Amino acid sequence: AQSVTQLDSHVSVSEGTPVLLRCNYSSSYSPSLFWYVQHPNKGLQLLLKYTSAATLVKGINGFEAEFKKSETSFHLTKPSAHMSDAAEYFCVVSFTGGGNKLTFGTGTQLKVEL
Amino acid sequence: NAGVMQNPRHLVRRRGQEARLRCSPMKGHSHVYWYRQLPEEGLKFMVYLQKENIIDESGMPKERFSAEFPKEGPSILRIQQVVRGDSAAYFCASSQEFGRNTEAFFGQGTRLTVV
Repeated sequence: AQSVTQLDSHVSVSEGTPVLLRCNYSSSYSPSLFWYVQHPNKGLQLLLKYTSAATLVKGINGFEAEFKKSETSFHLTKPSAHMSDAAEYFCVVSFTGGGNKLTFGTGTQLKVEL
Repeated sequence: NAGVMQNPRHLVRRRGQEARLRCSPMKGHSHVYWYRQLPEEGLKFMVYLQKENIIDESGMPKERFSAEFPKEGPSILRIQQVVRGDSAAYFCASSQEFGRNTEAFFGQGTRLTVV
């Protein structure tokens, strides 16, 4: 069985400071990992994805994530937060053979303060 | 190329009524997925369909819920005799192919409120 754990339900940062959203996964198979962002009353937008190529993945809006197999982690980072980054972020896993059947974490609400 | 279109965006139903949620996948996409997001929770997989076929419905409640994706027209998620616990956001996603490297594109969701 596969699962994903987002360690923080809420993260608050000041504008211009780094962002770290933590995610650990469990998968019996070689996983694909994704980060999605959801702005209020909007759909989900793909930020980035890892599919067994480079372990450091760069996404949109300056976000990146590093796949660490030894730690079963896929943390999302951004060097400098912007007010427009305030949203909910979901870490998502799928596995070989599961196709696009995605397993979502419970989400991390990011708040960006002036 | 329009994205995944879901309608209605908001739907209010009284207990016992039927709810029909529609999803038009992106052009050229033949794989559709439905997810449900309960308040304060992540999205939960419900069902995966291809044209005229249900491939995986392991996340669908056993009763009152059904889904279809006909040869022509949108995919429909149908909830009969709705109850308050069905209140949630329902998201549809589509992809061009089936596979771990294939990106799924999400619609903006239908927010169902049962009163």
